[in-house]
Amino acid sequence: AQSVAQPEDQVNVAEGNPLTVKCTYSVSGNPYLFWYVQYPNRGLQFLLKYITGDNLVKGSYGFEAEFNKSQTSFHLKKPSALVSDSALYFCAVRDIDTNAGKSTFGDGTTLTVKP
Amino acid sequence: DGGITQSPKYLFRKEGQNVTLSCEQNLNHDAMYWYRQDPGQGLRLIYYSQIVNDFQKGDIAEGYSVSREKKESFPLTVTSAQKNPTAFYLCASSLRTGGDEQYFGPGTRLTVT
Repeated sequence: AQSVAQPEDQVNVAEGNPLTVKCTYSVSGNPYLFWYVQYPNRGLQFLLKYITGDNLVKGSYGFEAEFNKSQTSFHLKKPSALVSDSALYFCAVRDIDTNAGKSTFGDGTTLTVKP
Repeated sequence: DGGITQSPKYLFRKEGQNVTLSCEQNLNHDAMYWYRQDPGQGLRLIYYSQIVNDFQKGDIAEGYSVSREKKESFPLTVTSAQKNPTAFYLCASSLRTGGDEQYFGPGTRLTVT
């Protein structure tokens, strides 16, 4: 079975400070990992993904994430937070080897960036 | 504009009635998905389809049914057997599965009383 954990329901940072939103995963095989963002009353938008290759992936709006296989983590980061980054963030995983069609999402982390 | 449309945005039904949520995409994607979003529980996969005329159950398929007769359409029926149908329902598609990211529709908020 595959699973995703986002250990923090809420992350608060000041504008201009770096931010990290944590994600750990569990799969039987090898993972494809994704980050999505949801703004209030809207659908989800894709931010970035790890498929293979470089462990540091860069995505939309200045976000990046680092794949760490030994720690089974895929934390989302941004060097300097903006108030407009405030939203609900979801990490998702697919197991390449057992069922690449099925995605499992975490419960989400609400990011609040204060001016 | 390419994208995913879901209709209606808000839907109200009486308990015991079946209701069908619409999802259409013009992205020429092979795969489509239905998720349910409840506060504090993230997204839970109801059904997914990797190709026309084929679909698989997700984690919470009980009380739901789907069809995939056309590539661009993946309607979800919430049956009277679903015990807690009130939720926000999101449809998504991806080019294929595996490493392809999903594109989401704006969602349908279903309220059953």
